[in-house]
Amino acid sequence: EPEVTQTPSHQVTQMGQEVILRCVPISNHLYFYWYRQILGQKVEFLVSFYNNEISEKSEIFDDQFSVERPDGSNFTLKIRSTKLEDSAMYFCASRDRGGGTEAFFGQGTRLTVV
Amino acid sequence: RKEVEQDPGPFNVPEGATVAFNCTYSNSASQSFFWYRQDCRKEPKLLMSVYSSGNEDGRFTAQLNRASQYISLLIRDSKLSDSATYLCVVNDAGNTPLVFGKGTRLSVIA
Repeated sequence: EPEVTQTPSHQVTQMGQEVILRCVPISNHLYFYWYRQILGQKVEFLVSFYNNEISEKSEIFDDQFSVERPDGSNFTLKIRSTKLEDSAMYFCASRDRGGGTEAFFGQGTRLTVV
Repeated sequence: RKEVEQDPGPFNVPEGATVAFNCTYSNSASQSFFWYRQDCRKEPKLLMSVYSSGNEDGRFTAQLNRASQYISLLIRDSKLSDSATYLCVVNDAGNTPLVFGKGTRLSVIA
């Protein structure tokens, strides 16, 4: 069964450092997303990506965040200068079409900023 | 602001019990509705889509009331393996992102 894969599974970083979270979406999917979930809170949308550009972003996705699809398979989330409050589980998701279809989630990257 | 509200839980039920979860959503333009399941520290996984006429998948039944902007999930004959957090998820048309409720935690006890 095709799946979304994320690396690393756990990242510990010092405050102020840059981190890159990596995702390989399902190969024939066209829509890609990053979500985050702070411990004990709900899953929150960060950004959506389609046709090699950002299609929508939330207020959380400020100038410290960026996304890239550097080749045909990887989809990355970069946080330029991490803050303590960036500590969360980050999920990548992909869909083959738009609304109404299932979004498949990766297993997540647990980011801990110390 | 688009919001999805759920029963806070936790729901602690014995094996074999029937349990119901409720959810309301604020955006009347929402088009697609889902229940996802999330195990502790794992990713959300689709449990079932919710259709206007209501739909059933084995022990799980989902209902949608567009007029009241209300979604429900009924689990019959609960199993220990049903213990998880159940997330109500709503989506507008097109490529808009999923909007998640905070989830309701279910513990099924032997």
